[in-house]
Amino acid sequence: GDSVTQMEGPVTLSEEAFLTINCTYTATGYPSLFWYVQYPGEGLQLLLKATKADDKGSNKGFEATYRKETTSFHLEKGSVQVSDSAVYFCALSDQGFQKLVFGTGTRLLVSP
Amino acid sequence: NAGVTQTPKFQVLKTGQSMTLQCAQDMNHEYMSWYRQDPGMGLRLIHYSVGAGITDQGEVPNGYNVSRSTTEDFPLRLLSAAPSQTSVYFCASSPQRAEITDTQYFGPGTRLTVL
Repeated sequence: GDSVTQMEGPVTLSEEAFLTINCTYTATGYPSLFWYVQYPGEGLQLLLKATKADDKGSNKGFEATYRKETTSFHLEKGSVQVSDSAVYFCALSDQGFQKLVFGTGTRLLVSP
Repeated sequence: NAGVTQTPKFQVLKTGQSMTLQCAQDMNHEYMSWYRQDPGMGLRLIHYSVGAGITDQGEVPNGYNVSRSTTEDFPLRLLSAAPSQTSVYFCASSPQRAEITDTQYFGPGTRLTVL
C-alpha cells in the first residue's frame, strides 16, 4: 500500500539556519503530495502542496518540489525562525476523496 | 466562522466504557473524516464521510462507529473503550468530495486516555 517516510526528529536548529526535512513516498498511482504543520496544542494546517511531477509548492518561506524520479518531496526553508517550531507532516493522497496517508512527523525546534 | 470544532479536549475512560467524540464544522463542507495520531505512527484514517448519510471505513475502523445525519456534524463513537484506543483524535473537513487536491481543515483534537 501507499506509504510516506520522514526523517526522524527532533531537528534542532538555531534561528536563521537552513532547514531540510526529508520525505520519500511509495504509491501505486500518481499521488498529490502535501506538507502539514502542527503547532503546539493545535490541529494540523496545510503548509503547501504539489499535484504533479516537478511542481513546487511554497508558502511562508517553505518550499518543496515533487520529484517523481526519486519519489521525494523534501521540505526546505532558507532561514528558520523560532516561530517555525512545530511538528511537520508529509502526506500523500492517491485514492480520491482525500484519503491522506501521513508520515510519522518531524519535530522542529528552533532556538534564538 | 468557527471552522472545525471538537469536544471534549481531554477525556479519561475506563476499559469497557462508551463515549462519543463530537465534531462539527460550519463551512458547509461535504467531506469529513476522523484520524487518530499515535507516537511514531503519524495520523491514520479511521472513518470518513462524503456527505450526509454516507460513511465508509478508513485504515483503522475497528472499535469505532460513525454516522452523518447532517452536513455539519460527524460524531465518532467508541462502544467499548480499550487501552489500545488511547490516542489523540482529529476530525477534518474539506469542501469538495471529488477533488483530491483540496485542503483539509483539521480540528484542535481530542486527547483520549483509556485506563
